Amino acid sequence: DQQVKQNSPSLSVQEGRISILNCDYTNSMFDYFLWYKKYPAEGPTFLISISSIKDKNEDGRFTVFLNKSAKHLSLHIVPSQPGDSAVYFCAASESWTSGTYKYIFGTGTRLKVLA
Amino acid sequence: ETGVTQTPRHLVMGMTNKKSLKCEQHLGHNAMYWYKQSAKKPLELMFVYNFKEQTENNSVPSRFSPECPNSSHLFLHLHTLQPEDSALYLCASSRKGAGGENIQYFGAGTRLSVL
Repeated sequence: DQQVKQNSPSLSVQEGRISILNCDYTNSMFDYFLWYKKYPAEGPTFLISISSIKDKNEDGRFTVFLNKSAKHLSLHIVPSQPGDSAVYFCAASESWTSGTYKYIFGTGTRLKVLA
Repeated sequence: ETGVTQTPRHLVMGMTNKKSLKCEQHLGHNAMYWYKQSAKKPLELMFVYNFKEQTENNSVPSRFSPECPNSSHLFLHLHTLQPEDSALYLCASSRKGAGGENIQYFGAGTRLSVL
């Protein structure tokens, strides 16, 4: 059973408009949520994160919102640019007693920004 | 360029072959990870090493054997694989972010095909 779900496999947005990518989770023990971006033939790269004790984090054009009661988070990109076209992965982390972290990833949403 | 290098980028092997995947990072990170990404599935965590010690084995079959000789290098030794093991294998290392989150840096992956 998937603990982190991205229900939209793809999304198309016009350049300059807002892109909203969604992610749902089931485990209330997750302490951080992260978004990664992946271009073809490259590994995922870190984009932005949010702690479970916050409800919003902003970094330039990227804002992540967390709704703990709904177990839902979203990534907003404003304004969207053609270079934002990529696959976006939502990930949730849970700390282990070993001192490392377990990451659960969603299946990704492919964003296409149309010029 | 994330600072995590994986070789080879592509590998084709028969079910009776033995091969190894290599991962290298000189970012000063102490934790390293192996992930498997199959088509249309989320990234699956396979192994975690922290300060060269294996801290987690996510129920991975013994035909996958990890090795971490030092904090900068991680190997995945493969033997008698099955066709269903064909996937993208990603290596990552991690550091603590400003907000306390654990940020992973991924290599570009090795695309493995088992014939």
